[in-house]
Amino acid sequence: IAGITQAPTSQILAAGRRMTLRCTQDMRHNAMYWYRQDLGLGLRLIHYSNTAGTTGKGEVPDGYSVSRANTDDFPLTLASAVPSQTSVYFCASSDRPTGELFFGEGSRLTVL
Amino acid sequence: GQNIDQPTEMTATEGAIVQINCTYQTSGFNGLFWYQQHAGEAPTFLSYNVLDGLEEKGRFSSFLSRSKGYSYLLLKELQMKDSASYLCAVRDSNYQLIWGAGTKLIIKP
Repeated sequence: IAGITQAPTSQILAAGRRMTLRCTQDMRHNAMYWYRQDLGLGLRLIHYSNTAGTTGKGEVPDGYSVSRANTDDFPLTLASAVPSQTSVYFCASSDRPTGELFFGEGSRLTVL
Repeated sequence: GQNIDQPTEMTATEGAIVQINCTYQTSGFNGLFWYQQHAGEAPTFLSYNVLDGLEEKGRFSSFLSRSKGYSYLLLKELQMKDSASYLCAVRDSNYQLIWGAGTKLIIKP
């Protein structure tokens, strides 16, 4: 089934550790996004990429980095995790910047 | 600042109709989206409005009034499986999506 795959689905992490959340899509969509979702708040954009080789900062980029070496993969890295990064992370893609978003199943991250 | 407002929680009865409102203040407007999100799952696309008026898709309809900064999602013939959160999102002048916090809809038998 075509779509977006995220890994891991869940992870508990000690503060200060480095963590990479993986995201792969097979729909050949140009645009990809990383969001975090916290209780009582709307989805907040961390980083985005409109096409392979380019990335941009969203609303809450601090403490996170991304890369887009090819169309399919868009990993999100936490260089040194802090408890405030405890959240559910969603990767999403779109065939164009104005189109609807298709979401992965999410990665639940707990930083202790 | 940019803001999307929607009720935190609503309750409705199976078989009934419910209207979920969304008001927005954004810098520019390039379309409004509604997504459904079941607990513990990813959001899935429901509807898109860019012009004023009503868009109907089966049991779900979405309305937009750009002059009022207002939209609603109308769900008819409610089923238990419609219990979910409904997210309103607006594309601003930079084509960035601004998300509301979501409305949790509880369906009772």
